[in-house]
Amino acid sequence: RKEVEQDPGPFNVPEGATVAFNCTYSNSASQSFFWYRQDCRKEPKLLMSVYSSGNEDGRFTAQLNRASQYISLLIRDSKLSDSATYLCVVMATDSWGKFQFGAGTQVVVTP
Amino acid sequence: NAGVTQTPKFQVLKTGQSMTLQCAQDMNHNSMYWYRQDPGMGLRLIYYSASEGTTDKGEVPNGYNVSRLNKREFSLRLESAAPSQTSVYFCASSVVDEQFFGPGTRLTVL
Repeated sequence: RKEVEQDPGPFNVPEGATVAFNCTYSNSASQSFFWYRQDCRKEPKLLMSVYSSGNEDGRFTAQLNRASQYISLLIRDSKLSDSATYLCVVMATDSWGKFQFGAGTQVVVTP
Repeated sequence: NAGVTQTPKFQVLKTGQSMTLQCAQDMNHNSMYWYRQDPGMGLRLIYYSASEGTTDKGEVPNGYNVSRLNKREFSLRLESAAPSQTSVYFCASSVVDEQFFGPGTRLTVL
């Protein structure tokens, strides 16, 4: 079983709509959580960190559910430029400094 | 401020050839990483360096060696390339929790 699992999608979303997707992690020692964005054939870039209380950055909202061991990302008012692959990244206290990546969820925003 | 740079951007090798992928960062980060990314697999850690002079194996280290030459540079060497090493290779550096990636090297082994 992979340590970090994501639905690969694609999630096809009309422009202006809301889309949400989850990521599950298996290591209960996981302590730090992130969402990265990766455009086609480009390097990943940090979208946002995920805090225990949940956090929002503009149209993006991230939530953490430690009991069920998943994090979520919600994108409101989707833009064409939001089309990308979203990578879930986790770091555990028993492997500090080493990041575990999910395979990514592809989002395609259509006009 | 260039961030993380990688060379080369593209490379084609024949089975058995060797090569070194270069990575440098100018952000004064202690930690540096080498990953490979294959379709449907996500990024997998090859080697990790917490500081100058230290390296640690990641999830998929077989067939690779690394050198942390100084704080700025972290190179990845393929001694005898195999078709299974065809992949996109990313170097990254990090401070606290955020990782910064280089643009990647697309390697094909024939």
